[in-house]
Amino acid sequence: GESVGLHLPTLSVQEGDNSIINCAYSNSASDYFIWYKQESGKGPQFIIDIRSNMDKRQGQRVTVLLNKTVKHLSLQIAATQPGDSAVYFCAETDSSYKLIFGSGTRLLVRP
Amino acid sequence: KAGVTQTPRYLIKTRGQQVTLSCSPISGHRSVSWYQQTPGQGLQFLFEYFSETQRNKGNFPGRFSGRQFSNSRSEMNVSTLELGDSALYLCASSLGQGKDTQYFGPGTRLTVL
Repeated sequence: GESVGLHLPTLSVQEGDNSIINCAYSNSASDYFIWYKQESGKGPQFIIDIRSNMDKRQGQRVTVLLNKTVKHLSLQIAATQPGDSAVYFCAETDSSYKLIFGSGTRLLVRP
Repeated sequence: KAGVTQTPRYLIKTRGQQVTLSCSPISGHRSVSWYQQTPGQGLQFLFEYFSETQRNKGNFPGRFSGRQFSNSRSEMNVSTLELGDSALYLCASSLGQGKDTQYFGPGTRLTVL
């Protein structure tokens, strides 16, 4: 397989704080990146995407930053809420129509 | 608009059996991709279909196969099941025109005993 999933780091934040989830991608040819949120018992849910011709994109309470120089992607969640607790995956793709997923980060929001 | 649906949601099989999983994409979507999710290996790409043709395939053995019908619905089949095939099988659909967003279904939880 191509996805590394042996470790699942956990980020614990206080409700109302900002969260930053990081991801390193592997393929220099990747030019489209997506963040997904997966809650227990559900499939991944699309959050936000970014193409390689951009370095920042904002959505509702979320911002994705792309640094192609160091092949790094981050997801920032503003004013984190209990409903944000989930596992977050970054995914990359080139021209092959397949998504390559990172190992995921578990976000825990403390009330 | 209805999301991606997968049936069945849960399945229990024994080693050596075969299984067929079904996926109905979002209306208007012509691409269907399949992924396997396990705690050890994470999310891994199985294959992608567009207009009834397989466009890409992941690194899985030939026991894993799929097909897509003219209405874009897709099925995947796993033959001669092994214990290690126990996983959540996820289907995602997209428009299929270049790099567009893939939307996932809830998955089928397969347990092989």
